[in-house]
Amino acid sequence: DAKTTQPNSMESNEEEPVHLPCNHSTISGTDYIHWYRQLPSQGPEYVIHGLTSNVNNRMASLAIAEDRKSSTLILHRATLRDAAVYYCILPTSGTYKYIFGTGTRLKVLA
Amino acid sequence: GAVVSQHPSRVICKSGTSVKIECRSLDFQATTMFWYRQFPKQSLMLMATSNEGSKATYEQGVEKDKFLINHASLTLSTLTVTSAHPEDSSFYICSANDPRTGRYEQYFGPGTRLTVT
Repeated sequence: DAKTTQPNSMESNEEEPVHLPCNHSTISGTDYIHWYRQLPSQGPEYVIHGLTSNVNNRMASLAIAEDRKSSTLILHRATLRDAAVYYCILPTSGTYKYIFGTGTRLKVLA
Repeated sequence: GAVVSQHPSRVICKSGTSVKIECRSLDFQATTMFWYRQFPKQSLMLMATSNEGSKATYEQGVEKDKFLINHASLTLSTLTVTSAHPEDSSFYICSANDPRTGRYEQYFGPGTRLTVT
């Protein structure tokens, strides 16, 4: 299973952009990169996913390095409601299994 | 979007009793459901993969006789914690995969907090 490495925690000021990095140096050519976030006492919530090209949706943007060994989740304007643990996941090919790493706990300062 | 529900949201039981947690996909058919456990301040740990109509596949170190999983229909999977003990107290989360998308997104339930006294 391809592993991911994320910083344990990050802080951001409200209304400012946040860049959450993820390293996945053992990624294979067919591995998708998924991002989820988890608010306290809730199940994880899908944020975004991509394969090779950068992706945008209403929640965030995903920037994928050219060699695909790293990616960055971008929240364009952080709000207090974005405070959560963000997980970068590479689903196990063929089994759909998710192996969660430690994730990044994002703290948003008012 | 795809919605997954869990019932109950919270349960308290006495040591030695069994508890059943339900996971339902509300607006899609889920051939595969997953069960996770999460202790305070820790990440989610995959317990087992539940496939409709077949036996669940348990991760290494998870006792299959203690955590009974049934996936009898395309919209329902159940996790039964048998002979629960205080160390089984945890946040249990299920997720489901929507095969219609042909992709790997999982849709997560809101979780069930189990407290064993």
